[in-house]
This record gives sequence, C-alpha cells and structure tokens, in this order.
Amino acid sequence: EVQLVESGGGLVQPGGSLRLSCADSGFTVFSSWVHWVRQVPGKGLVWVSRISTDGSITDYADFVKGRFTISRDNAKNTLYLQMDSLRAEDTAVYYCLRYDSGWTWGRGTLVTVSS
Amino acid sequence: DIHMTQSPSSLSASVGDRVTITCRASQGINNLLAWIQQKPGKAPKSLIYAASTLQSGAPTRFSGSGSGTDFTLTISSLQPEDFATYYCQQYRTFPLTFGGGTKVEIK
Repeated sequence: EVQLVESGGGLVQPGGSLRLSCADSGFTVFSSWVHWVRQVPGKGLVWVSRISTDGSITDYADFVKGRFTISRDNAKNTLYLQMDSLRAEDTAVYYCLRYDSGWTWGRGTLVTVSS
Repeated sequence: DIHMTQSPSSLSASVGDRVTITCRASQGINNLLAWIQQKPGKAPKSLIYAASTLQSGAPTRFSGSGSGTDFTLTISSLQPEDFATYYCQQYRTFPLTFGGGTKVEIK
C-alpha cells in the first residue's frame, strides 16, 4: 500500500524554524506533483504549497510566502517543507498529499508554535 | 481562488440511513472534485476522485456525482464506521481548495 509519511513536527518558539519531511514508503513521490496542506485542530483544510514533478515549479499560499520553502531530494525520494519565521498561527497538523489515480494523503505531523 | 460550499455543515443520521452531502463550486471545475473522509484525530482519506470514481479500497456504499459546479456524495447505507467529517476538494485550478466540511453524527 502506498503511504506518505511526514516527520519533523514538534514544538518551536515563535520566530523559530522547523523542517518537515514527507517520504513515500512504497512508490516514488516524484512521479507527480506533491502538495502540503495544513489543518488547525478542529478546523478545516488549507492548502500551503506545491512542487512540480521535477522541482522546477513551486507555489505558496500568501500567508507563508517568503517564510516557507518547499523542495525535494530525488536521491532520497523525500519532499521537504522548510518553515522559517514561524508564528503562532502556523500551529497546525501538516499533511503532504499527491495525486496519482486518486489522492493519497500522509498521516500528518503536528507543528506547535508557542513560547 | 475557487470557493467550495458544502451543505449541510452537520447532520444526524442512523445506521442504515441514506445520506447525501452536497458541494458547490464558485465556478466550473469540470469533474475535478474529490471527496475526503476524516475521523477524529486521524488523517484525511480520499474516498472519491474525478467526482464519481471510487478510490481504491473505499467501500462501494460511497458514491459521487456531478459536474461543473454542483456535486453530491451519497452514502447508500450508513455504517457505524462512517461517522466522520466529510470534505469536498477541487483540483481543477490552483490552489487546491476545500469545502468547510460536513460532520456526520449518530442520531
């Protein structure tokens, strides 16, 4: 079964940084575009960022533009989200997802920004 | 951005009931719509894509229909494990956008 597994979440102070990872356990994640979506606990789903199959195209939601960077490591079949200048409002569960004959979601990783 | 509106925001139903959830897009999205199920404390799971194609592993009691701006998710006979929140998601146009969710609760 294809699975996406995120890691790297945790507690960080405002202004700090975290790097999230998304690895595909049974398939190459780089055969399709991959997205990050976040969800504040108890709230809805919000798109954050995406990266093209070859990494040449990246896009960001306005509320993270200039602070977050999406990237990928082909050799490791892993997607990353570098999160800098974190704010309290970035607190959420972050999911990676991709489309390949349907949407596959990761399990999510919780990011908590608090002093 | 395309705005997705779901209704109702919540509903109460009994095991065995037929349940219908609707989703409306602010502009046409052809059939590029997915339905997602999320149980408390769990990750979202896609049930349907391309408006009516059942995702591998999803139960056949789930079905989707619609095209353009109006879409429907139907659960033919509600099961105990179906009590969850359901979201629609459009992927016709960047960025991905989601409906506000429909919480299906036990009557």
